[in-house]
Amino acid sequence: KAGVTQTPRYLIKTRGQQVTLSCSPISGHRSVSWYQQTPGQGLQFLFEYFSETQRNKGNFPGRFSGRQFSNSRSEMNVSTLELGDSALYLCASRVAGESTDTQYFGPGTRLTVL
Amino acid sequence: AQTVTQSQPEMSVQEAETVTLSCTYDTSESDYYLFWYKQPPSRQMILVIRQEAYKQQNATENRFSVNFQKAAKSFSLKISDSQLGDAAMYFCAYRSALYQTGANNLFFGTGTRLTVIP
Repeated sequence: KAGVTQTPRYLIKTRGQQVTLSCSPISGHRSVSWYQQTPGQGLQFLFEYFSETQRNKGNFPGRFSGRQFSNSRSEMNVSTLELGDSALYLCASRVAGESTDTQYFGPGTRLTVL
Repeated sequence: AQTVTQSQPEMSVQEAETVTLSCTYDTSESDYYLFWYKQPPSRQMILVIRQEAYKQQNATENRFSVNFQKAAKSFSLKISDSQLGDAAMYFCAYRSALYQTGANNLFFGTGTRLTVIP
């Protein structure tokens, strides 16, 4: 089974621009979560989507948004980019049905804001 | 909110030796899951081992085992027969049991960088 895939792997943007990141979960997984990883703040939860609905949201400004499609693929969008948005963005998927429910991570998208 | 603390920013171990990484957490919940994830230089986050809080038996996965002390809120990872490929950042993570909160997000510690010396 293919793992979680994220595109693009690397991205360079300038302040004020917006960006869209994509995540394709493991086949059969219906939940997708997004995390931001920075040297200063570590790993922080952004949001989780399940069945095209946002189930849970972390403490991030409204510039960060996401969505999930009927095939469980997810996108996250960051508008009006700031320098502090430079980070590794990790996507994780899970089955969302099993009691053992473990999250499996993708390779991440490295976003650099100049 | 739950907090996860990893007090060892860096650790080193000789190849073939054993090393233990520490993790403590704070929660008022009675049921939850604990995880150790490994992040090598490739940045891919890889699940190493998981522990259900309701299980008293410590989880084991090949050379990796945990020492789960629920009362002390401690969850350490032991790596036996260390190999060069074990060199990575190791993150301890906590997750509430779904039926309690409906939230599936992981709370991560700050990580421990493990160096394996040949």
